[in-house]
Amino acid sequence: GAGVSQSPSNKVTEKGKDVELRCDPISGHTALYWYRQSLGQGLEFLIYFQGNSAPDKSGLPSDRFSAERTGGSVSTLTIQRTQQEDSAVYLCASSLKPGSGGPNSPLHFGNGTRLTVT
Amino acid sequence: QKEVEQNSGPLSVPEGAIASLNCTYSDRGSQSFFWYRQYSGKSPELIMFIYSNGDKEDGRFTAQLNKASQYVSLLIRDSQPSDSATYLCAVQETSGSRLTFGEGTQLTVNP
Repeated sequence: GAGVSQSPSNKVTEKGKDVELRCDPISGHTALYWYRQSLGQGLEFLIYFQGNSAPDKSGLPSDRFSAERTGGSVSTLTIQRTQQEDSAVYLCASSLKPGSGGPNSPLHFGNGTRLTVT
Repeated sequence: QKEVEQNSGPLSVPEGAIASLNCTYSDRGSQSFFWYRQYSGKSPELIMFIYSNGDKEDGRFTAQLNKASQYVSLLIRDSQPSDSATYLCAVQETSGSRLTFGEGTQLTVNP
């Protein structure tokens, strides 16, 4: 597609339920990122995938959060047993693989999934 | 100390003035620096990136990087009301993986 696609755009769930958020990156982009943005706050890094390398999961806030990327393309972020503090906008971004020894390419963001836990 | 810090806002400037946005970072080995603009309720969009010390100009925008002092700034000349948004500074960590964002500075350009 032309841009990063995220679904659903909005998700309302009850506390304790599991949710899955989907991200379809720009074709040819090997790097994929998940960030979380609470109201009025900056972007909180969650996880980063680069090609076939082991993902950088250092930003995941708890073991209720997990993410996978199948076939080096689509990614799914799963939040188990959701809590009210999980309410936020979840942003996915993709970029080209940086050149060997070179800097990252700029990120292209999707429109985000607004998650509300009631 | 936060990894990426931006000057506290909100920042308000009159139309036509120069808006100056500042950002400092803690990882001395950082290589890539980005400025994103985020309108309320929208996703961030890239406006500038800079990799080398010095200035980089693109239209009304100038990014300035000083690696020795570990700061990067964004100047917006001839500010317009349409520039009113939150500006996010982002820094690539040495590992070349995670991109770390600052908290953002909210800019308001008054007509």
